[in-house]
This record gives sequence, C-alpha cells and structure tokens, in this order.
Amino acid sequence: GAVVSQHPSRVICKSGTSVKIECRSLDFQATTMFWYRQFPKQSLMLMATSNEGSKATYEQGVEKDKFLINHASLTLSTLTVTSAHPEDSSFYICSASDRAYEQYFGPGTRLTVT
Amino acid sequence: RKEVEQDPGPFNVPEGATVAFNCTYSNSASQSFFWYRQDCRKEPKLLMSVYSSGNEDGRFTAQLNRASQYISLLIRDSKLSDSATYLCVVSSDSNYQLIWGAGTKLIIKP
Repeated sequence: GAVVSQHPSRVICKSGTSVKIECRSLDFQATTMFWYRQFPKQSLMLMATSNEGSKATYEQGVEKDKFLINHASLTLSTLTVTSAHPEDSSFYICSASDRAYEQYFGPGTRLTVT
Repeated sequence: RKEVEQDPGPFNVPEGATVAFNCTYSNSASQSFFWYRQDCRKEPKLLMSVYSSGNEDGRFTAQLNRASQYISLLIRDSKLSDSATYLCVVSSDSNYQLIWGAGTKLIIKP
C-alpha cells in the first residue's frame, strides 16, 4: 500500500523556538495533504488541508501564521510550528491522498515544548 | 452536540468474546463512513469502509443505519491483538474532509 513518512518522529524543543515537521509520500503523488493534531485521549482534529502549489486551507481556530504549511511538491508537505509554546505539545499526524477519500497516514510526530 | 460521537470505553472483553461498538453522526448528508484502528501512540490505520449494505471482513462486520444515523462495528472471536482504540470516521461529499470520533478503547483480556 501507499507509504507516507514523517520526520522527525519525536521532537523536544524550548518554548519560543520553531519546529519543522516533514511529511512525504514515498511511492505515490499526493495531490492533497492533510495535517492533524491529536491531544491525549482526544480525537484527531484537522488543522489544515493543502493542495500542491497552492495555499493551505486552515480550519477554524487554527492560526495560519503560527502553523505554516508548505506543499511545494506532490511528495512533500511541511508544517512549521512557529514560536512554539507548551500548549502546542501534541501528536501531529499528516495524511496524503491521491483521491478524495483514501488518505494514507504518516506515523506521526510527537512534539513536546518545554 | 459533537458531529461524531462514540462511547470512549474502555470496553474490557475476555478473549474469544464478541464485542460491538456504535457510533452516531449528526450530519444527515454524510456519505462515507469508515472504521479506523489506532494503537497507542501510533497513527490510525483504516480497518474497513462501511457500505450501505453492510460489509464483513473476516471477524469484523460493519453496519450502517442511515435512518438512525449510526454505524456499528462487530468483532467476533476477539483476539488479544484486537486491543486498540477504534475510531469512527464520517465524510460528506461536499468537502471530502474526514470527521473523526474520539474513539472507543477496547481491551481484550486473556
């Protein structure tokens, strides 16, 4: 099946710094990539949807200036958490899709902001 | 009211037993339904899509009830490896976005 990778798998950073998370589709071209956040014992929450070559569409309540998304190619999307704070600590998961309903998930990135 | 609701559990079930979960959704325009499985600290993985006529995959059976707006998942002859969180996911045709339930935690005990 389709493989999606994320890097890094785990990151610890200090408050105020920025963190970049990469999401790659390894064996298919992803026209759409989705970024989710999951807090402990809660559901995945969609943060934004990005289509290659265009600006990401952010969900209500997600600050686009804080969570910068770049989808420069059909196999790579990045999420940058700028000026991270402890409340940004979460599990960030990307998914990639070449068709609307079939989303393939990356393994996730666990971010801890101290 | 949440768009997709699930009983968080945990459901503690002896190995070999049959267990069923329900999930209700609020948007009557929803068109696609899925069950995902998520192991602790891992990404969710698609378990099965849910079709109008219901579908079965081995020990797993999924049903859709549009009138009452719920979907169900039945697991027969449960295995220890079935222990996980089961996420109900709903999507409408209008925007292809997946709406996730918070998940039902299942613990299979030997």
